[in-house]
Amino acid sequence: DIQMTQSPSSLSASVGDRVTITCRASQGISNWLAWYQQKPGRAPKLLIYAASSLQSGVPSRFSGSGSGTDFTLTISSLQPEDFATYYCQQPNSFPYTFGQGTKLEIK
Amino acid sequence: QVQLQESGPGLVKPSETLSLTCTVSGGSVSSGSHYWSWIRQPPGKGLEFIGHIYYSGSSKYNPALKSRVTISVDTSKNQLSLKLTAVTAADTAVYYCARRTVAGIIDAFDIWGQGTMVTVSS
Repeated sequence: DIQMTQSPSSLSASVGDRVTITCRASQGISNWLAWYQQKPGRAPKLLIYAASSLQSGVPSRFSGSGSGTDFTLTISSLQPEDFATYYCQQPNSFPYTFGQGTKLEIK
Repeated sequence: QVQLQESGPGLVKPSETLSLTCTVSGGSVSSGSHYWSWIRQPPGKGLEFIGHIYYSGSSKYNPALKSRVTISVDTSKNQLSLKLTAVTAADTAVYYCARRTVAGIIDAFDIWGQGTMVTVSS
């Protein structure tokens, strides 16, 4: 299985901050990577697919980059509704696997 | 828009079979660009892909669960189902059904149900 490792596991930030979350795959996955946002008690929500393509309806302050094994999710200016847990996921190789999550908390 | 809704018992005894149904509304399970999936999340933990099925009935399962999992689809009812046999406390989780869209550059779980909590306990 491809292991997906996110860093950091948790992060404290303030409204207006620029935040970057990293995801590393245990083997190359080209640009086959998705990012999800999950709020407590809610299902995950797709933010980005193909490493850098923004899902319809997702604010433009979210962006993704990377290819191969190293990927990043950036939030350019944190809003109150962005405090949540973020997961990366690879659809390149079966079984599809997720990172362990990065919990973004208010400082 | 397409919506998914999971249903089934919230409590299952150890060694018994967990059975869940996901009803798709606002769209069809027979659409060609989608795989219908089950994903679970133990309390306080991360996400685990269980398996998926295509409308034709072709299915694929996570090897970690393969011996215990069956996913089926009923196109007439626009539903998919999950059966997990011989459950233990480790199977306690929120179970989500999700639509995986594979079209062009998109390959992601783009629509999720709200999830249903299943507890394994005697």
